[in-house]
Amino acid sequence: SQQGEEDPQALSIQEGENATMNCSYKTSINNLQWYRQNSGRGLVHLILIRSNEREKHSGRLRVTLDTSKKSSSLLITASRAADTASYFCATAPSYQFYFGTGTSLTVIP
Amino acid sequence: DAMVIQNPRYQVTQFGKPVTLSCSQTLNHNVMYWYQQKSSQAPKLLFHYYDKDFNNEADTPDNFQSRRPNTSFCFLDIRSPGLGDAAMYLCATRGARDRVWETQYFGPGTRLLVL
Repeated sequence: SQQGEEDPQALSIQEGENATMNCSYKTSINNLQWYRQNSGRGLVHLILIRSNEREKHSGRLRVTLDTSKKSSSLLITASRAADTASYFCATAPSYQFYFGTGTSLTVIP
Repeated sequence: DAMVIQNPRYQVTQFGKPVTLSCSQTLNHNVMYWYQQKSSQAPKLLFHYYDKDFNNEADTPDNFQSRRPNTSFCFLDIRSPGLGDAAMYLCATRGARDRVWETQYFGPGTRLLVL
């Protein structure tokens, strides 16, 4: 299977804390993307990091990529209750996309 | 302004009764994807079209077929739905700008219930 893995599977934090989730993948990639999904809804693209980049920021999001370890992390700083959702990494060896297993984040007000 | 539209948002069908899910896009993207997502699981790629070229994932059951009559529309046909096919079906598109592939854009999904 091309599917990557994420950990933790579930994460519960207090509002204002930082949340970190990790993604490991199997194949070589052109880029890695992070998506967010609210319960019962479609996926929303958060951030893309290319294989030649090591770190990228977007607002309260910080993504790192280590291609030697085939891993990535997503950090959400100063979390809010509205950040409660599932977060998926997706790798694109070519123009197919394969999603990781996802991390379910709960931010407690 | 919706860019990837899926109809219907909810679909109820009977065991064994063929069903078609619809996806349309206003982005003029080359690639369209269909994913199946079951509760608390990651989306699973079923197949994708690169223009008119159909690409099936190796583990996609024969029960699932797809049609892309033009750039804008793509259909998912489930020939004989079983109870295990109840899931959210997500359509996505992707295009290239200046020869650089952009991210995927997802529709809101169609939730399929099989009775």
